[in-house]
Amino acid sequence: QVHLVESGGGVVQPGGSLRLSCAASGFSFSSFGIHWVRQAPGKGLEWVAFIRYDGGIRYYADSVQGRFTLSRDNSKNTLSLQMNSLRAEDTAVYFCAKENSEEYFFDHWGQGTLVTVSS
Amino acid sequence: EKVMTQSPAALSVSPGERATLSCRASQSISRNLAWYQQKPGHAPRLLIYGASTRATGIPDRFSGSGSGTEFTLTISSLQSEDFAIYYCQQYNNWPLTFGGGSKVEIK
Repeated sequence: QVHLVESGGGVVQPGGSLRLSCAASGFSFSSFGIHWVRQAPGKGLEWVAFIRYDGGIRYYADSVQGRFTLSRDNSKNTLSLQMNSLRAEDTAVYFCAKENSEEYFFDHWGQGTLVTVSS
Repeated sequence: EKVMTQSPAALSVSPGERATLSCRASQSISRNLAWYQQKPGHAPRLLIYGASTRATGIPDRFSGSGSGTEFTLTISSLQSEDFAIYYCQQYNNWPLTFGGGSKVEIK
């Protein structure tokens, strides 16, 4: 079955960087786009970024544009989210989520990884 | 950006009763709407897409309706496992946006 596992979360100081990873299994990874969605503590869901199945198209939320970069390695079934210039408001659980065949809703989610930006 | 507004923010329902949750879009999104269920400490789970199509494995007590700007998620007879937070999400336009959530609590 579809399995998504995030890693790389932790505590980082404001202005710092962190790299999150998402390892996928159970489906044809190179055929599906992947999203990142985050959830600040006690808050709702916020879409963060998307990368198309071939890496050819990437979209970012305004709140992270220019600071976050998505990449993927289809040979290793992995996805990376490089987060730079981190701010306190980036503190959240970050989920990777699989698209449903070029429709931009999320049919499977990982368990999430917590990023805390604090001095 | 399409703003999604959910109501009520919270509702108390007795097991076996019906729950009706609303989601309104600031502009028309056709039927490009999904609903998710989230329990504390867990990732969201897809319930409904295309406004009314149940995802794989979702019980038929969950139903969705609506189009354009007004959408509804109905849980016909609440079971203990249905007490959770429910989010709507539009995928008609970028950026993808979620509603603020509706918490269904035990009465």
